[in-house]
Amino acid sequence: GQQLNQSPQSMFIQEGEDVSMNCTSSSIFNTWLWYKQDPGEGPVLLIALYKAGELTSNGRLTAQFGITRKDSFLNISASIPSDVGIYFCAGHPGTASKLTFGTGTRLQVTL
Amino acid sequence: KAGVTQTPRYLIKTRGQQVTLSCSPISGHRSVSWYQQTPGQGLQFLFEYFSETQRNKGNFPGRFSGRQFSNSRSEMNVSTLELGDSALYLCASSLDPGYGEAFFGQGTRLTVV
Repeated sequence: GQQLNQSPQSMFIQEGEDVSMNCTSSSIFNTWLWYKQDPGEGPVLLIALYKAGELTSNGRLTAQFGITRKDSFLNISASIPSDVGIYFCAGHPGTASKLTFGTGTRLQVTL
Repeated sequence: KAGVTQTPRYLIKTRGQQVTLSCSPISGHRSVSWYQQTPGQGLQFLFEYFSETQRNKGNFPGRFSGRQFSNSRSEMNVSTLELGDSALYLCASSLDPGYGEAFFGQGTRLTVV
């Protein structure tokens, strides 16, 4: 099945560092979503973006909806150990509850 | 407000058996979609239900089926289980199909032996 291109695949960073990850698609989406998943659990919604060019923050997280509607990025500032997990982007077409997910970015934070 | 509830959390089945998984969406949410997550394929869309009707189906064989009840609760069924069906099955709940935000349950971990 289709998956969005998400990079980097994994990141090892030190506590306090900033993190950036992005997602690209060959198709346009009406909504971009970012999720975090811990092992054995379901994805938890972090940020939803609804308009091209939109920049949205949720605490230390900031995400942007690309102008072309084919990409999005997520920044995490001042990382902490509980940021460890896998981050997924997802695109929503606007007409159906069918999300297309990115390949995921595994984040490891060292003290 | 209660979140999305999936039962059971874990299942072990034998090849050839069938299995039924259950999902209760967030109160007021009428759209339920199902996803399969495996290490190799990532998160893949299975199907979507709204108003007791399947609106979209992913690229999975006919052994995978589902339904939605009048209270929006949903079940998915996999018949004639294969080893490759071992995965985390996730249910997502949203207000309606056009609403982007989807909230996931904890998933059902299915192991086929």
